[in-house]
Amino acid sequence: EAGVVQSPRYKIIEKKQPVAFWCNPISGHNTLYWYLQNLGQGPELLIRYENEEAVDDSQLPKDRFSAERLKGVDSTLKIQPAELGDSAVYLCASSSGQAPYEQYFGPGTRLTVT
Amino acid sequence: GDSVTQMEGPVTLSEEAFLTINCTYTATGYPSLFWYVQYPGEGLQLLLKATKADDKGSNKGFEATYRKETTSFHLEKGSVQVSDSAVYFCALLKTSYDKVIFGPGTSLSVIP
Repeated sequence: EAGVVQSPRYKIIEKKQPVAFWCNPISGHNTLYWYLQNLGQGPELLIRYENEEAVDDSQLPKDRFSAERLKGVDSTLKIQPAELGDSAVYLCASSSGQAPYEQYFGPGTRLTVT
Repeated sequence: GDSVTQMEGPVTLSEEAFLTINCTYTATGYPSLFWYVQYPGEGLQLLLKATKADDKGSNKGFEATYRKETTSFHLEKGSVQVSDSAVYFCALLKTSYDKVIFGPGTSLSVIP
């Protein structure tokens, strides 16, 4: 069974430029998560989807971040415009939605904003 | 609010040494508890889990027991290897509708 796929793995952009990250969850997993992981810290949730509906986006900085999950499968996270402080690893995870609700993580996208 | 606390790292051990990484949590109700491992340059991998009090999760020689009386979920391994060098995250989840709350992570380096 294929795991969570993310692309790109690395991205370097200049500040004020836009950037997008893509995630393909494990087949059949209805729940999808985007996390932000700063260096030396644990992941923090940005947004959670149940199918195509964003059910928890309370931690998503909506002035510059946006996300979508059309058709309830793949998802895209966008930042526009990027700031220096956005440099981090962006992790995608998926879950089947059944107990014990464990989440499976992709390899992440390491973003560097210069 | 709900939170997870881990022992600070980095932890450096010699090969075959005994490992303990302490984890305590604060949460209402009965959360599920997890240990995730993150190898350099990779995403998080689920290492083991426990869903109720006194459950013992185990995988790859690692063990952790869900202790509700002490709100702890300490990770142990009897004999570490160089390949165990990674960052270990303790985490909790209350229900499918709550996000996973991660601890800050503990970096482990095992030297030959």
